[in-house]
Amino acid sequence: DQQVKQNSPSLSVQEGRISILNCDYTNSMFDYFLWYKKYPAEGPTFLISISSIKDKNEDGRFTVFLNKSAKHLSLHIVPSQPGDSAVYFCAAGNAGKSTFGDGTTLTVKP
Amino acid sequence: EAQVTQNPRYLITVTGKKLTVTCSQNMNHEYMSWYRQDPGLGLRQIYYSMNVEVTDKGDVPEGYKVSRKEKRNFPLILESPSPNQTSLYFCASSPFGGDSPLHFGNGTRLTVT
Repeated sequence: DQQVKQNSPSLSVQEGRISILNCDYTNSMFDYFLWYKKYPAEGPTFLISISSIKDKNEDGRFTVFLNKSAKHLSLHIVPSQPGDSAVYFCAAGNAGKSTFGDGTTLTVKP
Repeated sequence: EAQVTQNPRYLITVTGKKLTVTCSQNMNHEYMSWYRQDPGLGLRQIYYSMNVEVTDKGDVPEGYKVSRKEKRNFPLILESPSPNQTSLYFCASSPFGGDSPLHFGNGTRLTVT
């Protein structure tokens, strides 16, 4: 039973446009959500997070939206840049346990 | 430089030969965790530790052991590796739990033949 799902394995956008990455979860006990970015041959790096008591968090070009009733999380990147091309993982957790999605490969074309 | 260091980066071994992957962090973080990454399965948590001498199972703990005798180190032990443990392994740490941003190591690619 996969509790966190990223249904789009890949996404391609033009430089300057918006990238929207989506994540769905099933466990209503999750109380925090994070996004990580991963380049090849490196470990994931933290991007942005949101707690379950909020519905939006913004950091520069990155905004995360949380819809608890739909159990849906999304990451918006505006404007997208070629350097944003990477694999993006959403993660959800409660206490010490973390569950990650499968990842979405974002390609930003110049 | 603040970092999580895993060793080795690459390891090829044979079935049944005990091995240890080391993980060390220099940020005085309370929380450490191990994950494995497999194609189409994302990152799955193996074990985590909220503090010294406190460890708990993640989602896929079978076949693995861990210990947390000191705050900075969290080794992953495979007592009798099997081919289904061939994977990319990541160690991570954070100040106080999975809800604070995790700092990941660069990964250990393990092949068990």
